[in-house]
Amino acid sequence: QQQVKQSPQSLIVQKGGISIINCAYENTAFDYFPWYQQFPGKGPALLIAIRPDVSEKKEGRFTISFNKSAKQFSLHIMDSQPGDSATYFCAADNQTGANNLFFGTGTRLTVIP
Amino acid sequence: GAVVSQHPSWVICKSGTSVKIECRSLDFQATTMFWYRQFPKQSLMLMATSNEGSKATYEQGVEKDKFLINHASLTLSTLTVTSAHPEDSSFYICSARVGGGKPQHFGDGTRLSIL
Repeated sequence: QQQVKQSPQSLIVQKGGISIINCAYENTAFDYFPWYQQFPGKGPALLIAIRPDVSEKKEGRFTISFNKSAKQFSLHIMDSQPGDSATYFCAADNQTGANNLFFGTGTRLTVIP
Repeated sequence: GAVVSQHPSWVICKSGTSVKIECRSLDFQATTMFWYRQFPKQSLMLMATSNEGSKATYEQGVEKDKFLINHASLTLSTLTVTSAHPEDSSFYICSARVGGGKPQHFGDGTRLSIL
């Protein structure tokens, strides 16, 4: 059973555009929602994360929007660049409980010049 | 900070041999380390969780006798794939965290190819 659902599976965006990736979860015990960026042949790298007590977190060009009532969160990449082309995974964690990460299925982002 | 090193990055070996993969936290002490497996174009699948000095906890469907995990110190965990077969070929990734409530930091993975 997929604990975290992610869409779209792939995304093509023009340079300078906005990339948006969406995730949804069911378990209300989740209290930590990170996004990871993975390049081919590399491990995932923590990009940005949010806790459910805030609705938005911004770090540079990356923003997480969080809707607790809808149990959804999304990653927005502003001014997308070719170097942002990678696979992005959302995840959810119950840090006060089992503390295991549950990953989404991933989104392959391609930013074309 | 929070660097996790994995070695080797790529290994090719014959069917039936055993392969050991090391995962080290370089600049922090990791009370918990995790081992994941990732098939091409798929997400990460948690294989097992190990706490320093304790036996690893394996996820359902993961053979503990085939995937031996040792977490002997706060900076080193090893995964040994015993009697490896072609179906064990995959990308194995470890992660580590300082303690409960802290984020996981990932290594760069090990590409395992069994001929």
